[in-house]
Amino acid sequence: DAKTTQPTSMDCAEGRAANLPCNHSTISGNEYVYWYRQIHSQGPQYIIHGLKNNETNEMASLIITEDRKSSTLILPHATLRDTAVYYCIVRPGTTSGTYKYIFGTGTRLKVLA
Amino acid sequence: KAGVTQTPRYLIKTRGQQVTLSCSPISGHRSVSWYQQTPGQGLQFLFEYFSETQRNKGNFPGRFSGRQFSNSRSEMNVSTLELGDSALYLCASSPNRAGVLYEQYFGPGTRLTVT
Repeated sequence: DAKTTQPTSMDCAEGRAANLPCNHSTISGNEYVYWYRQIHSQGPQYIIHGLKNNETNEMASLIITEDRKSSTLILPHATLRDTAVYYCIVRPGTTSGTYKYIFGTGTRLKVLA
Repeated sequence: KAGVTQTPRYLIKTRGQQVTLSCSPISGHRSVSWYQQTPGQGLQFLFEYFSETQRNKGNFPGRFSGRQFSNSRSEMNVSTLELGDSALYLCASSPNRAGVLYEQYFGPGTRLTVT
């Protein structure tokens, strides 16, 4: 079972910020939050990841709550090319113990012109 | 750097046949993972290889197998194909060091159709 919960779908107006929430209430202390997106029929694309601090790169920002039970991916100025399925997953930072790669169903983001 | 490459991109097979898919990771990446994606089940993890050893495995029958070569290239094999094996098979490589997990970079996938 996926360790994350995401809304099934969201719409966003082009040029506006897209805020994609993710709930991971059972996250462990050594688990990171990763975000990927998949544009139709392509392989998933890595976006960003974080442990507990907020992170920003050229693609997006990741805001993780202080209790780490939820996070938000922010695309600051969404474009039509950002239309995709966005996956939030949690994974440990090391290979000690068991770890799984579970993608869940993701959020289908549609950017509207 | 070149991205992850997968061959072939499209494949049509008949039930009962076997198939081998190939993946070349990003140069310097030592971890290769395989996923199956179907409309009904979504993205499901098959297995992961690191330094020619299977390090992790998903919940798939033994008909699905894989291997990794010394140059980190990987192959997966599906024997006795079933209609339900029709899917997009994705390979992902990661710049792992031993014991550390990093982000994954995915290839474009191989679209397998079983008739």
